[in-house]
Amino acid sequence: EAGVAQSPRYKIIEKRQSVAFWCNPISGHATLYWYQQILGQGPKLLIQFQNNGVVDDSQLPKDRFSAERLKGVDSTLKIQPAKLEDSAVYLCASSPGQGKLAFFGQGTRLTVV
Amino acid sequence: AQSVTQLGSHVSVSEGALVLLRCNYSSSVPPYLFWYVQYPNQGLQLLLKYTTGATLVKGINGFEAEFKKSETSFHLTKPSAHMSDAAEYFCAVSVNAGNMLTFGGGTRLMVKP
Repeated sequence: EAGVAQSPRYKIIEKRQSVAFWCNPISGHATLYWYQQILGQGPKLLIQFQNNGVVDDSQLPKDRFSAERLKGVDSTLKIQPAKLEDSAVYLCASSPGQGKLAFFGQGTRLTVV
Repeated sequence: AQSVTQLGSHVSVSEGALVLLRCNYSSSVPPYLFWYVQYPNQGLQLLLKYTTGATLVKGINGFEAEFKKSETSFHLTKPSAHMSDAAEYFCAVSVNAGNMLTFGGGTRLMVKP
């Protein structure tokens, strides 16, 4: 069974630029999560989708971050404009449904210079 | 609200020695508890989880953890460390099996020859 796929693996951008990350969850998984992991810290949940609807985005900085999962499968996370403090690994995870175990992708490492 | 505290951001042990990584949690509801391992430039891999039932949980790679409600702890142990155990370990809590994990800050385990 294929795992959670994320791309790109690495991205370097200048502050105030825009960036987008892509996540392809495990086939059939209805629930999708985006986490932000700043160096030296544990992952922090940014947003949770159930199919194509948002379940929780209370910790998403909505002034610059946006995420969508239009067809209830793939998801994109966008930052516009990026700040230095956005440098982190962005992890995508998926699970068969709410309350089911989540599986993590390898993450996208973003460096903002 | 839930939170996780991992005591010791860095732990160093000799190969063959006991590994003990500490995790304390707070939760207003019966918790689901997890330990994840993260190798460099890799995503999070589940080591073990406590949901209900037996409080001593065995995971992969010889790790185990014991849920102690009275101490609000879920410490991770391994009788004999191996060089390949060197990684970052994260304790996490949730209200169910996989929903919206709240992670601790992580403990980096170093294994000396």
